[in-house]
Amino acid sequence: DVKVTQSSRYLVKRTGEKVFLECVQDMDHENMFWYRQDPGLGLRLIYFSYDVKMKEKGDIPEGYSVSREKKERFSLILESASTNQTSMYLCASSSSGTGWSDTQYFGPGTRLTVL
Amino acid sequence: SQQGEEDPQALSIQEGENATMNCSYKTSINNLQWYRQNSGRGLVHLILIRSNEREKHSGRLRVTLDTSKKSSSLLITASRAADTASYFCASQGGSEKLVFGKGTKLTVNP
Repeated sequence: DVKVTQSSRYLVKRTGEKVFLECVQDMDHENMFWYRQDPGLGLRLIYFSYDVKMKEKGDIPEGYSVSREKKERFSLILESASTNQTSMYLCASSSSGTGWSDTQYFGPGTRLTVL
Repeated sequence: SQQGEEDPQALSIQEGENATMNCSYKTSINNLQWYRQNSGRGLVHLILIRSNEREKHSGRLRVTLDTSKKSSSLLITASRAADTASYFCASQGGSEKLVFGKGTKLTVNP
């Protein structure tokens, strides 16, 4: 069964802290994605990666960085957390082998609160 | 913004009724997908329709696609209380990325 896991369901951090959100997939997918979801704004893409050590900016990369050292793991890093980064963070993965018909598989989400 | 739009933003119906949600997108696509999200959880893929298809069925789901109008609709027939969730459309062009709409929140009352 397809599985994407995220390291925490709920996380509370203080302003200025460095925050790591981890995502692991067991489907040998090439592509991995980080989104944030806010009420009324839907899902917005922060960063994605189409291969190990490769990354591309999404629509809202400011204040975030990512790391993909292994194919199965994609980390989202908030270098210095701010209150406007309080949000639900969703990780997803997809395979590149289907000719641009890529279903994404999502993790359960991490609800991050920055105080 | 490249985001699409769903319409309506919220929909409340009785069990047994049909629910129709609409989606508009902005750029040319290879496919359009619909996802479901239960409250506070991740998204689950429901159905994918390719740009050369006009209609697709999966169980109680029916999806249509009109590329000339850059729009799609999702019909859920004979709705159940368990269908209560948010529904998102996502368009895919010539890359790995999906562009999600803002979602329709569906409530099915028993």
